[in-house]
Amino acid sequence: DTGVSQNPRHKITKRGQNVTFRCDPISEHNRLYWYRQTLGQGPEFLTYFQNEAQLEKSRLLSDRFSAERPKGSFSTLEIQRTEQGDSAMYLCASSPNQGPFEQYFGPGTRLTVT
Amino acid sequence: GDSVTQMEGPVTLSEEAFLTINCTYTATGYPSLFWYVQYPGEGLQLLLKATKADDKGSNKGFEATYRKETTSFHLEKGSVQVSDSAVYFCALSDVTNAGKSTFGDGTTLTVKP
Repeated sequence: DTGVSQNPRHKITKRGQNVTFRCDPISEHNRLYWYRQTLGQGPEFLTYFQNEAQLEKSRLLSDRFSAERPKGSFSTLEIQRTEQGDSAMYLCASSPNQGPFEQYFGPGTRLTVT
Repeated sequence: GDSVTQMEGPVTLSEEAFLTINCTYTATGYPSLFWYVQYPGEGLQLLLKATKADDKGSNKGFEATYRKETTSFHLEKGSVQVSDSAVYFCALSDVTNAGKSTFGDGTTLTVKP
């Protein structure tokens, strides 16, 4: 068990560009979550997958955001036409399919939109 | 909807002092409660959890008791160390809500030698 990994760790992009982040969850975990965290705040829920099915999306997730988990393993989060307000830490977490659903977090991808 | 309120920080203590970080929650269902910790330069990691009323979660000398009557889950440690300096997040998850977690805004703890 190598834990949850995320790539890249840092991304600087210009406004209007598209970016894509990748998350590799713990292999035996069926549930995968994306959160966004800004300075001084706790993580905010963006979206959730069970296996390959995207079961819930937050109202925070505008049309410019899309997430996939094509084979129920890794997941990608794409932001199109980035805006400065998208600058944040994007966190991925996975959890076991049963139990209290404690989250195992990756190190995050820090996005800076200039 | 669900929400979590943590005491505002930052909190600064001397080594070996007693720590309390308050956390209260609002939930429509029967949530599980968690404390996560984020050490400098690292990702969030689970510190402890409790799944039902009166459960006590404990780890690394930290404890928190699930109090349904006061909707609270306060974090305590009897004697803090410099290595406990971190940001602490209280959170809840609810099986009726896809298991996603709702977090407080975090409390920064600094422990001075």
